[in-house]
Amino acid sequence: QLVLTQSPSASASLGASVKLTCTLSSGHSNYAIAWHQQHPEKGPRFLMQLNSDGSHSKGDEIPDRFSGSTSGAERYLTISSLQSEDEADYYCQSWDSGMIFGGGTKLTVL
Amino acid sequence: QVHLVESGGGVVQPGRSLRLSCAASEFTFSSYFMFWVRQAPGKGLEWVALISYDGVKTSYAGSVKGRFTISRDNSKNTVVLHMNSLRAEDTAVYYCARGYRSNDYYGVDYWGQGALVTVSS
Repeated sequence: QLVLTQSPSASASLGASVKLTCTLSSGHSNYAIAWHQQHPEKGPRFLMQLNSDGSHSKGDEIPDRFSGSTSGAERYLTISSLQSEDEADYYCQSWDSGMIFGGGTKLTVL
Repeated sequence: QVHLVESGGGVVQPGRSLRLSCAASEFTFSSYFMFWVRQAPGKGLEWVALISYDGVKTSYAGSVKGRFTISRDNSKNTVVLHMNSLRAEDTAVYYCARGYRSNDYYGVDYWGQGALVTVSS
């Protein structure tokens, strides 16, 4: 069964870049994932689907500051030129006989 | 712009039933899978159920299988989650989400704002 592992928290300064990581469990390195953003008390927002070859397709009106990349079993979400509104929870999600979510990373913009 | 609005949340006693509804608009509803995902207070996201575009295929998380039923009415652009035998651990915000299928992968690309279900005596 697929397990997605995320660090519980991350922080970076306003205007800087941050790279969030989602690690796929052993034997699942070829799986696609998606990244979702969630602000407090709000519904999540789809950011992008990220494939094992590094290709990705973004959601509607997602800024170019958000990008995805892949290395083996790692899936990354990079946010550049951090803005205060990027402070949120970020979840990775995949599918393995059921929808699987990572535990989420709480991003703090300093 | 895709619009998903959940309704029907509230406080319910353990063992009782509740029906959540999701009204969809601004897209061709009958062409998309639909999902329910929940989030317990202070916790992460947990998939609950999915239904295919035509209602033929449904799938459930193990934690709700046999107690929850997902259905849809394509003539009304609505997806429904019937929840029976509710437990305290079902307390969560329930999100409706539009789904898509890419080969063997299922994802969601639009979310509603959620409906809070509280199971308490």
